[in-house]
Amino acid sequence: DVKVTQSSRYLVKRTGEKVFLECVQDMDHENMFWYRQDPGLGLRLIYFSYDVKMKEKGDIPEGYSVSREKKERFSLILESASTNQTSMYLCASNTGGLLYEQYFGPGTRLTVT
Amino acid sequence: AQSVTQLGSHVSVSEGALVLLRCNYSSSVPPYLFWYVQYPNQGLQLLLKYTTGATLVKGINGFEAEFKKSETSFHLTKPSAHMSDAAEYFCAVSDDEGGADGLTFGKGTHLIIQP
Repeated sequence: DVKVTQSSRYLVKRTGEKVFLECVQDMDHENMFWYRQDPGLGLRLIYFSYDVKMKEKGDIPEGYSVSREKKERFSLILESASTNQTSMYLCASNTGGLLYEQYFGPGTRLTVT
Repeated sequence: AQSVTQLGSHVSVSEGALVLLRCNYSSSVPPYLFWYVQYPNQGLQLLLKYTTGATLVKGINGFEAEFKKSETSFHLTKPSAHMSDAAEYFCAVSDDEGGADGLTFGKGTHLIIQP
């Protein structure tokens, strides 16, 4: 059974803290993604990676960075958390080609106070 | 650039009634289209997808969708709603055959099932 896990379901951080969100997939997928989900806005792509040490900006990369040192792990980093980064963060992965389905983790609900 | 429009942020139907969730897309190239469902406090789960071939696509839980290129639509339907169908539904599009560029999602439609 395919699985994408995220390190925390709920996280509370203070403004200005450095925040790490971790995602691990056990399917040997090449591609990994970080999305942000907000009510009324749907999901928006923050960053994605198609290989180890490779990263590409998505639609809303400002205020975020990522790290992919191993194929199975993709980390989202908030360098200095702000209240407008309070949101649900979803990680996903897939393999290339027409197989294409993105498998999603359960999400991390981050609150920045 | 591609985009997705889902008509209706909330849709309410009676149990046993037809479910119709609307999705229109814009894409400069032939699109790959998806419907995902999100149950409360869970991640997203794929309902169905259109890549190539037959334009009527059947998915899980009795849902289906039809790709209509002339109307740039990919509406989701289910003949008879069940209480367990209450969830958030997202339409998504990609023009990347390789699957590496991520998906563009609509804003979501919250489906409410009335007993």
